[in-house]
Amino acid sequence: GQNIDQPTEMTATEGAIVQINCTYQTSGFNGLFWYQQHAGEAPTFLSYNVLDGLEEKGRFSSFLSRSKGYSYLLLKELQMKDSASYLCAVYNTDKLIFGTGTRLQVFP
Amino acid sequence: DTAVSQTPKYLVTQMGNDKSIKCEQNLGHDTMYWYKQDSKKFLKIMFSYNNKELIINETVPNRFSPKSPDKAHLNLHINSLELGDSAVYFCASSQDRSTSGAFFGQGTRLTVV
Repeated sequence: GQNIDQPTEMTATEGAIVQINCTYQTSGFNGLFWYQQHAGEAPTFLSYNVLDGLEEKGRFSSFLSRSKGYSYLLLKELQMKDSASYLCAVYNTDKLIFGTGTRLQVFP
Repeated sequence: DTAVSQTPKYLVTQMGNDKSIKCEQNLGHDTMYWYKQDSKKFLKIMFSYNNKELIINETVPNRFSPKSPDKAHLNLHINSLELGDSAVYFCASSQDRSTSGAFFGQGTRLTVV
């Protein structure tokens, strides 16, 4: 079977750092993606990891450990506009499979 | 120019009706998808097409029939709509093994009454 698990909800304070975890068990692996989705909008691409390690892109970083089937998305200097759902997705051979998504609420 | 466009954005219809959602991408991608996002916001893959050929059908009821006239278009036709079909349907496209993942359309909010 295919499983991609994330926490359902998280809250954080403006200016803080938050880490959103994702664990996966899939029959194939060709990369892991993180997407951001604001309410009522389409998911948009944030990051891609295919090798182990940390990828940094501005305030957002994503980490991957293939041996552990684990990834996290790190958001620094949180802003109110970062309140959204964050979706972990694994590219499995020929399709992109999404996790359940984590709804992040940022408070002032 | 919108990369992945789908129409309509909103669709309200009665149970038992047949409806279609259209999707077009101008990115030159080889692969297109249909995803269903339910009220719990879980994004579940329904179909995947590569160069007009169906490669994935994720145990979707056969009331749902995708059609790809060419690799830039993937339409979704739904027969005999049921209340449980109410959801947001997203079309997406990607290039094989792309490091940018999939690009999504704006979504079609289908409400069956």
